[in-house]
Amino acid sequence: DGGITQSPKYLFRKEGQNVTLSCEQNLNHDAMYWYRQDPGQGLRLIYYSQIVNDFQKGDIAEGYSVSREKKESFPLTVTSAQKNPTAFYLCASSIIGPRTDTQYFGPGTRLTVL
Amino acid sequence: QKEVEQNSGPLSVPEGAIASLNCTYSDRGSQSFFWYRQYSGKSPELIMFIYSNGDKEDGRFTAQLNKASQYVSLLIRDSQPSDSATYLCAARGAGNNRKLIWGLGTSLAVNP
Repeated sequence: DGGITQSPKYLFRKEGQNVTLSCEQNLNHDAMYWYRQDPGQGLRLIYYSQIVNDFQKGDIAEGYSVSREKKESFPLTVTSAQKNPTAFYLCASSIIGPRTDTQYFGPGTRLTVL
Repeated sequence: QKEVEQNSGPLSVPEGAIASLNCTYSDRGSQSFFWYRQYSGKSPELIMFIYSNGDKEDGRFTAQLNKASQYVSLLIRDSQPSDSATYLCAARGAGNNRKLIWGLGTSLAVNP
């Protein structure tokens, strides 16, 4: 049963804590992405990775960190430096093709700062 | 600043009608375009992608691309209440840039 899994589904964090969001895919996709979605603001790219052990900052990388030690996994850490982390976090993956890199999304993690 | 623009809606259509969703993009170098559907509280799911000028049909959905005018549209025929969702348009640039530029989405309500 191929797909993208994210855990946990809901996450609550106290201010000052770091938290790590999990993203795993068994689609054999090369590229993986992390987005943040806030009401009325659409999808904003945090980080992306096209190959193991390499990743690039997206548009809003400050306060976040990632790693890509395995092709299947791309965890996102929300650090205490992220001032407004409450949001819906979406992980996606895609093949790398010549004309189209269709991104497929996991179910998301909803993070709330208490 | 590369942008993708969509009317936020809500677009309201009666059941069985055709819903027409539109999207314009600013980067003339964009090559591929994607339509996603997102139900409230859920993650986006792909409807279809298009990269050639003209129409592409998949069941009740038809994507239309006009690169000269820099717009993409999605037609939903025989709209059903289950089609009520937010529809996101995204564009991918040329070359090795894998990033997608996302619109804010159009909210569609199909009324029984």
